[in-house]
Amino acid sequence: DAGVTQSPTHLIKTRGQQVTLRCSPKSGHDTVSWYQQALGQGPQFIFQYYEEEERQRGNFPDRFSGHQFPNYSSELNVNALLLGDSALYLCASSYGGHGREQYFGPGTRLTVT
Amino acid sequence: QKEVEQNSGPLSVPEGAIASLNCTYSDRGSQSFFWYRQYSGKSPELIMSIYSNGDKEDGRFTAQLNKASQYVSLLIRDSQPSDSATYLCAVIGSNTGKLIFGQGTTLQVKP
Repeated sequence: DAGVTQSPTHLIKTRGQQVTLRCSPKSGHDTVSWYQQALGQGPQFIFQYYEEEERQRGNFPDRFSGHQFPNYSSELNVNALLLGDSALYLCASSYGGHGREQYFGPGTRLTVT
Repeated sequence: QKEVEQNSGPLSVPEGAIASLNCTYSDRGSQSFFWYRQYSGKSPELIMSIYSNGDKEDGRFTAQLNKASQYVSLLIRDSQPSDSATYLCAVIGSNTGKLIFGQGTTLQVKP
């Protein structure tokens, strides 16, 4: 049973560039949530996708956008990268929308220089 | 006031002892509560979920929930050096459905 997968593992980008991160949920799951985790902090909720729609959104600017595909996989896009966007980006999957147990992927470490 | 608060630690316990980790939350209507373990450089791993007042036991782990006092705790019995990690408390808000994390408590189990 495949768990949550994310790609790429690491990424280095330059300020002002755009980045796309990808996530495939655990088998049987239909909901994907994205989080940003800075060093020494707990994960911060970015947004959640269910039935191919953004259902919930955290306090992140519009530079952060996403998409969910019919196979439940998801992408996180960040435009106009800032140095402060450097963080671990985590994808978590669950079943049936919010309120359920979420399982995390290994994360993508983004460094903006 | 933070939505989910944890003491950042580090909490240091000797091998074999009971480690007690605590968490408070501000949204009185919250219904879903979780504990995650995160090793350095790794992603969070779900270890316990609790939805009703009282205790829930799973192996060496016991989660305790008191909604009236708005706190959740995690007890780890017979602590092992391999339990050394950051433990994250997470709560789903009643109105938003968002999973909100505390900053985590670092646990050090010394042989």
